[in-house]
Amino acid sequence: KAGVTQTPRYLIKTRGQQVTLSCSPISGHRSVSWYQQTPGQGLQFLFEYFSETQRNKGNFPGRFSGRQFSNSRSEMNVSTLELGDSALYLCASSFGHFYEQYFGPGTRLTVT
Amino acid sequence: TQLLEQSPQFLSIQEGENLTVYCNSSSVFSSLQWYRQEPGEGPVLLVTVVTGGEVKKLKRLTFQFGDARKDSSLHITAAQPGDTGLYLCAGVPGRTGTASKLTFGTGTRLQVTL
Repeated sequence: KAGVTQTPRYLIKTRGQQVTLSCSPISGHRSVSWYQQTPGQGLQFLFEYFSETQRNKGNFPGRFSGRQFSNSRSEMNVSTLELGDSALYLCASSFGHFYEQYFGPGTRLTVT
Repeated sequence: TQLLEQSPQFLSIQEGENLTVYCNSSSVFSSLQWYRQEPGEGPVLLVTVVTGGEVKKLKRLTFQFGDARKDSSLHITAAQPGDTGLYLCAGVPGRTGTASKLTFGTGTRLQVTL
């Protein structure tokens, strides 16, 4: 099976702009989660989608949003970018009881 | 908030040495996972432990889940440069695993040199 894919891999944006990141899960996986990873805060959970519905949400401001499509592909959007949003954004898909995460390679977002 | 503390935060050792990484919490987890992340990549799942006291071996890596399901350890025997990376534990909170928000640990960065 093909792994989780994320596009784009690298992105440079300016403060105030918005950005949309895309994630295609492993075929058959209906759960997609998004994480933000920074050197200072580590890996932080953003939100999880299952069957097009947001099932869980982390402690991030409303500028961070997401959605999932009927084919399980997911997008996350960050509006009004801030310098502190610079991070590696990871998408992970999951199938099964133990919520084992299969991560994509991530999108490295730099906000200048 | 369930918090998973990992120790040590950083570890630099020479090839052939043994090491243990710890993952501790005051909360109970229904299962616990270990991941390894290499630079520029996403974390890769290594193992899931489910039963208190469970021990799993993956070649030179030995994983143990504490009897009370509040802690776990990862032991690497005869470390190799290919073991270099960020090791993350992650737990599913609760006794029955009904919660669906995985909690990640603070991470242990391992460097193995020749």
